Amino acid sequence: EDQVTQSPEALRLQEGESSSLNCSYTVSGLRGLFWYRQDPGKGPEFLFTLYSAGEEKEKERLKATLTKKESFLHITAPKPEDSATYLCAARSGSARQLTFGSGTQLTVLP
Amino acid sequence: DVKVTQSSRYLVKRTGEKVFLECVQDMDHENMFWYRQDPGLGLRLIYFSYDVKMKEKGDIPEGYSVSREKKERFSLILESASTNQTSMYLCASSERPGEREKLFFGSGTQLSVL
Repeated sequence: EDQVTQSPEALRLQEGESSSLNCSYTVSGLRGLFWYRQDPGKGPEFLFTLYSAGEEKEKERLKATLTKKESFLHITAPKPEDSATYLCAARSGSARQLTFGSGTQLTVLP
Repeated sequence: DVKVTQSSRYLVKRTGEKVFLECVQDMDHENMFWYRQDPGLGLRLIYFSYDVKMKEKGDIPEGYSVSREKKERFSLILESASTNQTSMYLCASSERPGEREKLFFGSGTQLSVL
């Protein structure tokens, strides 16, 4: 059974304090690892897709990386507007749909 | 921009009622999905559809049904609502086959069943 585990569940940072969110996955034949951002009261918004170990994607202060067992979302010098819940999801070769983690709730304090 | 619109932001229903949740997307996407989101459990797929009048069960279809009569509209039906169906319901759509995982979500419907 495919599993995706995110840690920590919640993270509080001071503005400018860089950190990383972790997404560990157990899937057979990874076909893609996805990161989404979800603001309160809204649906998730797509951020990145990673397909193979060693791949990296960047967008503003965010950088996603992928290994054979986990993905990291690195946040460099975060701002309060980066506060949100970050979700990761994985698709295996045998599954037709995504398996989502339960998310990391990030709070960036001014 | 892709827009996925869910008909209600909040709904309160009684146990045993039949509940309809409506979702419309405006980008001619072939694929549409219904998820529920519960604290600590992440998003769980209820049903999805890759074409008009076509539907497939997701991970937790029990107690739900769906309808897709037009390409842009995907409805989730709770035949007889129960308290354990209190949840946030999220509709999503995605582009052509091969891009299925890049999901565009609606804002969600928070359903409370009393």
